[in-house]
Amino acid sequence: DVKVTQSSRYLVKRTGEKVFLECVQDMDHENMFWYRQDPGLGLRLIYFSYDVKMKEKGDIPEGYSVSREKKERFSLILESASTNQTSMYLCASSGWGGYTFGSGTRLTVV
Amino acid sequence: GENVEQHPSTLSVQEGDSAVIKCTYSDSASNYFPWYKQELGKGPQLIIDIRSNVGEKKDQRIAVTLNKTAKHFSLHITETQPEDSAVYFCAAHQYNFNKFYFGSGTKLNVKP
Repeated sequence: DVKVTQSSRYLVKRTGEKVFLECVQDMDHENMFWYRQDPGLGLRLIYFSYDVKMKEKGDIPEGYSVSREKKERFSLILESASTNQTSMYLCASSGWGGYTFGSGTRLTVV
Repeated sequence: GENVEQHPSTLSVQEGDSAVIKCTYSDSASNYFPWYKQELGKGPQLIIDIRSNVGEKKDQRIAVTLNKTAKHFSLHITETQPEDSAVYFCAAHQYNFNKFYFGSGTKLNVKP
């Protein structure tokens, strides 16, 4: 089975901090995605990447950046965390085996 | 781009009854339609999917139907159990763009 691992289940950060959310997949998938999930808003795509060092903006990229230096790792960066970025963040990867989500990181910005 | 609408947003059924969740999509280029189940505190997990060359697919108590002409697809859960309580998401995928478009989710509550 494809495994998508997010490094933290829960994070609490202060306003203005730089925050890194890490995601690793073990199935050699080319495509990786970052979503945020908020009550009533469903899943919203932040960024995605279809190859190493490649990135594309999703629907809500403002306030975020990403890094894909290796095929298996896709990082989401909050340059200066704000309270409106408190959310559940989900990483996913896709390839011939399908589309698989990680368990999520619940980020609280105080 | 694609637009996926999902109904209802909440659904409450008695244990043993059936549950049906419906999704519509707008772009006829979409050709893969997965369904995900998300339990509290966890990421969404794929439970069943269907491709555009198939009208129906079953896996034990779960089935998905697809009507390409009407651009809608549905999830059917029979003999519901309390452990089926979760949020369910539908999605539409276009191979050429390799993007998934998600419905807004349905919170299913199965009452014992």
